[in-house]
Amino acid sequence: SQQGEEDPQALSIQEGENATMNCSYKTSINNLQWYRQNSGRGLVHLILIRSNEREKHSGRLRVTLDTSKKSSSLLITASRAADTASYFCATDGDSNYQLIWGAGTKLIIKP
Amino acid sequence: EAGVAQSPRYKIIEKRQSVAFWCNPISGHATLYWYQQILGQGPKLLIQFQNNGVVDDSQLPKDRFSAERLKGVDSTLKIQPAKLEDSAVYLCASSFSGRNTDTQYFGPGTRLTVL
Repeated sequence: SQQGEEDPQALSIQEGENATMNCSYKTSINNLQWYRQNSGRGLVHLILIRSNEREKHSGRLRVTLDTSKKSSSLLITASRAADTASYFCATDGDSNYQLIWGAGTKLIIKP
Repeated sequence: EAGVAQSPRYKIIEKRQSVAFWCNPISGHATLYWYQQILGQGPKLLIQFQNNGVVDDSQLPKDRFSAERLKGVDSTLKIQPAKLEDSAVYLCASSFSGRNTDTQYFGPGTRLTVL
């Protein structure tokens, strides 16, 4: 079953611009993770945000979580060509051991 | 630290043939996952092992897919017989304890094409 749904499905921006992608989910969560997938490095963990947190930062990444709207956003500032990838959100499922993945946002950074 | 290793990287087979994939997780990681990722979609969990026991295999098509993790380390995933719709990338991942707050570390994947 799919819990998270990313929006937009695809996003193309110029290098140096900021990129924002969103993840909406259906049921209440304890935590949400963002992963990146590109052809060079495969699927890589970016950041985890817990349900009692509203915002987290990691380098050029900023993640927000709004549990009242059941949504999260990932902001990448000052985008680079290397940020070209698909970005997935993953939320916890019915158990402490389950992770449910969305379909991803495909981000293209144009030089 | 060595990452998750998978082999082969690519495999092309005819439908109804069998195929096997191998995964070696990060040393010390108790949990091993096999995912199927169809083009344009997110990863779909097929099976999750905790050491050498199965935690979740609810989405594994058991009539044709099987997986084992002998001695709680390496794992193999087998498809027999393969169907056209099995064409996908098969990802192996591992994590330290298996809790959903853990970071999952992924291998490079095996791209399977069924003709």
